[in-house]
Amino acid sequence: GESVGLHLPTLSVQEGDNSIINCAYSNSASDYFIWYKQESGKGPQFIIDIRSNMDKRQGQRVTVLLNKTVKHLSLQIAATQPGDSAVYFCAENMGAAGNKLTFGGGTRVLVKP
Amino acid sequence: EPEVTQTPSHQVTQMGQEVILRCVPISNHLYFYWYRQILGQKVEFLVSFYNNEISEKSEIFDDQFSVERPDGSNFTLKIRSTKLEDSAMYFCASSVSSTHGEQYFGPGTRLTVT
Repeated sequence: GESVGLHLPTLSVQEGDNSIINCAYSNSASDYFIWYKQESGKGPQFIIDIRSNMDKRQGQRVTVLLNKTVKHLSLQIAATQPGDSAVYFCAENMGAAGNKLTFGGGTRVLVKP
Repeated sequence: EPEVTQTPSHQVTQMGQEVILRCVPISNHLYFYWYRQILGQKVEFLVSFYNNEISEKSEIFDDQFSVERPDGSNFTLKIRSTKLEDSAMYFCASSVSSTHGEQYFGPGTRLTVT
């Protein structure tokens, strides 16, 4: 079946460095992608989204890149801070009426002081 | 800032018992969802709900599951006869729009079936 998956289960990064989290998706019908952050004991928190008619979108300290040719999504976090330590999920939405999100497996980011 | 709330935060139940998980979506949202996350695994979609009807459901959402919006503020997930494998975090979410809309998640209910 089609799915969203992540390449790196754990990413250790020095405080102040940039982080890059990758995600591969296989459903070419997906046209909306979201990155969520999940801290321990909490629900997923929206970070940034991107539609398939774009290849880059920037937020505050975060940038999402979408490469539809190779079905790849990435999240870049600039100047990583201790508060960025969490599990990051990518999710895809095919735009169907049910608005179902399909989540990837998650990448844990550990920020070292 | 408005947020989705869920109760209880932790529910322990015996196998075969019925449980009801409760959610209060954000007040101006019209689309509601339940997801679950088994420990160490992905977040999985269960069901979406709009206008008092199920819009979409996954294969996980079998006859043992049901959802209801009993009043203008609550959204519930009922599991009629719990199984050990139902143990998971259950997240409620809501959104303003039906497609391409940001889904806001609640803090989750940890369900433990013994």
